[in-house]
Amino acid sequence: GDSVTQMQGQVTLSEDDFLFINCTYSTTWYPTLFWYVQYPGEGPQLLLKVTTANNKGISRGFEATYDKGTTSFHLQKASVQESDSAVYYCVLGDLSSAGNKLTFGIGTRVLVRP
Amino acid sequence: ETAVFQTPNYHVTQVGNEVSFNCKQTLGHDTMYWYKQDSKKLLKIMFSYNNKQLIVNETVPRRFSPQSSDKAHLNLRIKSVEPEDSAVYLCASSARDWGPGAETLYFGSGTRLTVL
Repeated sequence: GDSVTQMQGQVTLSEDDFLFINCTYSTTWYPTLFWYVQYPGEGPQLLLKVTTANNKGISRGFEATYDKGTTSFHLQKASVQESDSAVYYCVLGDLSSAGNKLTFGIGTRVLVRP
Repeated sequence: ETAVFQTPNYHVTQVGNEVSFNCKQTLGHDTMYWYKQDSKKLLKIMFSYNNKQLIVNETVPRRFSPQSSDKAHLNLRIKSVEPEDSAVYLCASSARDWGPGAETLYFGSGTRLTVL
């Protein structure tokens, strides 16, 4: 079945640091890949979405590139701000997922100190 | 801008009681979901409905039952709560349940349930 591996349970950074969150996936179908972000007290919200047709997503200074060879979808941002403190989820969906049942990674908590 | 509304925000109850959570979406979407988020922030799908029809029912205890009156509303009832039901319950919607690729989910802010 589908799976998502997201390492690094928590990452602590200072403002203007570089952020990198590792994500790899496994599926036998053509994937749709997402990064969702969850701020304290809120539900997850879409950060960016990539399909096989457009292998790179960019949003709010974040970017992620779908690499079919390494089955990876890492998230990065050149310079983080305190407002980027949140939980980030790598998410996999594909056409085999009846009812749009997405597979969520474990989430990476990012704490940015001022 | 919030378009998936959940009530209540918080609920504290005793073991064995019945609880109900409400969810409404104003996006005009066809598909709605319930997810459970545990204390470690792990997210797991419980149910999904498409146009009032149940299409996904994961392995959840029978005391959980979703209820949909129309495609904009999806409620969740827990008949006799247990301590392990303490979690955040997140409602979500998507335009449809199937497309050329997976559909984007739009989440509400969740209902935090504490079972004493």
